[in-house]
Amino acid sequence: EVQLLESGGGLVQPGGSLRLSCAASGFTFSSYAMSWVRQAPGKGLEWVSAISGSGGSTYYADSVKGRFTISRDNSKNTLYLQMNSLRAEDTAVYYCAKSSCSTSCYTVIDYWGQGTLVTVSS
Amino acid sequence: NFMLTQPHSVSESPGKTVTISCTRSSGSIASNYVQWYQQRPGSSPTTVIYEDNQRPSGVPDRFSGSIDSSSNSASLTISGLKTEDEADYYCQSYDSSNPWVFGGGTKLTVL
Repeated sequence: EVQLLESGGGLVQPGGSLRLSCAASGFTFSSYAMSWVRQAPGKGLEWVSAISGSGGSTYYADSVKGRFTISRDNSKNTLYLQMNSLRAEDTAVYYCAKSSCSTSCYTVIDYWGQGTLVTVSS
Repeated sequence: NFMLTQPHSVSESPGKTVTISCTRSSGSIASNYVQWYQQRPGSSPTTVIYEDNQRPSGVPDRFSGSIDSSSNSASLTISGLKTEDEADYYCQSYDSSNPWVFGGGTKLTVL
């Protein structure tokens, strides 16, 4: 059974940093691209970032480029999202999501985590 | 950029079959996979269909997906409707310039 468990969310001040983690199990982690997708209160789903199965390719939405960094540790079956220079508009539930492929179709999501809430406020 | 257009809402009775459409505004619907996500209020999203017509493990075969090149649209069909199917359903696709294109969502009411 595929399981994705996010952690690391919380309250942070504008301009601050936070690192999210996602522990994966139930599949060969290194064989699949992974994404972070967020949902602001009352809004739709917004793709944030993705990383290929090997970790060699990374992709970002324009809204977070230069501020967020996605990475993975295939030896620990863990996905990360380092978020810097946080803004109020980054407030959202952040979901870890597994892609059905290794690289090119990285936003084809077949499994989701339960999400972790990030609140950016002073 | 292309858009994905869904009906705002649909309703049907338990035990019946409902189909939700997702129309691509430009470019071929067959060029890139279409996914369907279910989200109940207050819950995380789940995938009911990915890669046009594939079901993740655990999704009942009452859920099926298809694409129709003649209408440039994708469809999600749910048969044998149950009250637990009541949720918002979103289609999603992509292309080489836009990694994430999301439909506006369809509220399914099972009454």
